Amino acid sequence: KQEVTQIPAALSVPEGENLVLNCSFTDSAIYNLQWFRQDPGKGLTSLLLIQSSQREQTSGRLNASLDKSSGRSTLYIAASQPGDSATYLCAVLVGTASKLTFGTGTRLQVTL
Amino acid sequence: NAGVTQTPKFQVLKTGQSMTLQCAQDMNHEYMSWYRQDPGMGLRLIHYSVGAGITDQGEVPNGYNVSRSTTEDFPLRLLSAAPSQTSVYFCASSGLAGGAGELFFGEGSRLTVL
Repeated sequence: KQEVTQIPAALSVPEGENLVLNCSFTDSAIYNLQWFRQDPGKGLTSLLLIQSSQREQTSGRLNASLDKSSGRSTLYIAASQPGDSATYLCAVLVGTASKLTFGTGTRLQVTL
Repeated sequence: NAGVTQTPKFQVLKTGQSMTLQCAQDMNHEYMSWYRQDPGMGLRLIHYSVGAGITDQGEVPNGYNVSRSTTEDFPLRLLSAAPSQTSVYFCASSGLAGGAGELFFGEGSRLTVL
């Protein structure tokens, strides 16, 4: 059974810092990995999707990397801003199972 | 752009009552799914559908029914509500087969079962 872990569960950083969020998964036979953002009381918004054949994806100040062999993905946020404060979740899709497995998320707070 | 729309946003039920959570998407997505989100447990897949007339169970299907008569709608039915079903429910859709593409979520439905 695929298990997805995100460490740390919570993180507080001052504005302007570059930071890395971690996601690890137990079954390396993934089809893709997706990073999401969730604001309090809201749904999830997809940030980046990495196919299993890709090493990384970039969108603005966000960069996500994928290392299938080690079962790890990182989300890099450059020059963090208070508006980046949210919970970040990763999810993996295994093969053709049509089932995503989510991590429990990292709650990020960016302070002034 | 409506995207994925869930109703109701909030609902309080008594144990044993039944209800339906509605989910509609206007993006012509074949793949739709229901998740529940509980503190400390992340999102868990309840049921999913890869197209009209096709549904399958996820990780935690017990106590829930789904149907998919149209591409747009994917309602989730609670047959006899239990306090353990108190949760926030999310509907999501994807434009690629098997949910392989970007996943679009609704705003969620917060359910309390007394």
